Amino acid sequence: ETGVTQTPRHLVMGMTNKKSLKCEQHLGHNAMYWYKQSAKKPLELMFVYSLEERVENNSVPSRFSPECPNSSHLFLHLHTLQPEDSALYLCASSQEGASTDTQYFGPGTRLTVL
Amino acid sequence: AQKVTQAQTEISVVEKEDVTLDCVYETRDTTYYLFWYKQPPSGELVFLIRRNSFDEQNEISGRYSWNFQKSTSSFNFTITASQVVDSAVYFCALSEAENTGNQFYFGTGTSLTVIP
Repeated sequence: ETGVTQTPRHLVMGMTNKKSLKCEQHLGHNAMYWYKQSAKKPLELMFVYSLEERVENNSVPSRFSPECPNSSHLFLHLHTLQPEDSALYLCASSQEGASTDTQYFGPGTRLTVL
Repeated sequence: AQKVTQAQTEISVVEKEDVTLDCVYETRDTTYYLFWYKQPPSGELVFLIRRNSFDEQNEISGRYSWNFQKSTSSFNFTITASQVVDSAVYFCALSEAENTGNQFYFGTGTSLTVIP
């Protein structure tokens, strides 16, 4: 398998549920990212990991909890979400964690919070 | 203030027409990078091109071409002889070399529909 993969592709959850999004990159990169894409808004950077250490957290609510066990895997743990959290969640990776690196994206997880 | 502006929200063209997608950016850095990504209905952002601020040469890749003009802070993208498979949302993005926050600044995207 190549590139960046994400599972699940679609997720529907209630506000009291706990779920996790998974991202895996097969590019040998050292940095991984979570973005949120809402309709009519620019992509919002949520978290950045470089060499498995979190280097950026853009004031994301604590109901979103990232985990990066190694440079190939990234998780986003979700709990007690709100309906406004419904969006497309995109994972990306880059060679290093420099801001100027090209980022390569996965297909996203379409999340609906009821 | 928005660092990347894509003023065209939606564009429709008939197949085989040429179409230009506009991108205007704002930065005070002297070293920066500009990107274009394509997002088809499947959702994945596909990387198209990366240019640095010191290279103003226009680039052509098949039916795609990019016009980078620092004087107008623009990085426009032209598709020649458009095809139905070009239908997607296209994003322009900016990253700044002096930005330590690993931030890509994305525009709001231009939705292109190519009508057969």
